Amino acid sequence: NAGVTQTPKFQVLKTGQSMTLQCAQDMNHEYMSWYRQDPGMGLRLIHYSVGAGITDQGEVPNGYNVSRSTTEDFPLRLLSAAPSQTSVYFCASRSTGLAGELFFGEGSRLTVL
Amino acid sequence: GQQVMQIPQYQHVQEGEDFTTYCNSSTTLSNIQWYKQRPGGHPVFLIQLVKSGEVKKQKRLTFQFGEAKKNSSLHITATQTTDVGTYFCARPSGGSEKLVFGKGTKLTVNP
Repeated sequence: NAGVTQTPKFQVLKTGQSMTLQCAQDMNHEYMSWYRQDPGMGLRLIHYSVGAGITDQGEVPNGYNVSRSTTEDFPLRLLSAAPSQTSVYFCASRSTGLAGELFFGEGSRLTVL
Repeated sequence: GQQVMQIPQYQHVQEGEDFTTYCNSSTTLSNIQWYKQRPGGHPVFLIQLVKSGEVKKQKRLTFQFGEAKKNSSLHITATQTTDVGTYFCARPSGGSEKLVFGKGTKLTVNP
């Protein structure tokens, strides 16, 4: 099994450009989520989903959109990138319920100039 | 929001010394999870604690969940250079499935 796969691993954008970070998991997990990681800030939740067709906001949702059309995929969209969105982004998934450990992708490093 | 306070933010030890990181919450937790992130890597699940007063061990790592289920700790005995990384605790938030993380404790080990 591949686990959680994120693409791209690295991306450089100019301010105002749009892009989509892809995330796919092959573990049939209901729950999927996106985090951003900045120095000294830990992992902050952007958006999450508990199943196909269901999404909700996390701690820092502004500037990001998500959708969940299938169980496997949970893309993160930046409609108009800003320098403040320079970060490392992690996608993570798990089964729902109390006993679910999060499985993380390898991360996507985004730089907005 | 329902955050967890994690201390210390940084810890530098000599190889062989012990290390402890703490997570504190103002509200009762249903469970708490711990993750380790190696430099340049992604977080990897270590353990989940659910019961009041629970203590679990993984080789040199000891995890505790407080009696009131408001705090937790991770203790590493006799650190090794392989223990280097950032240790995070994470808790469920808002009665939903989402997990929120502490800011982490970055551990460096001097050989």
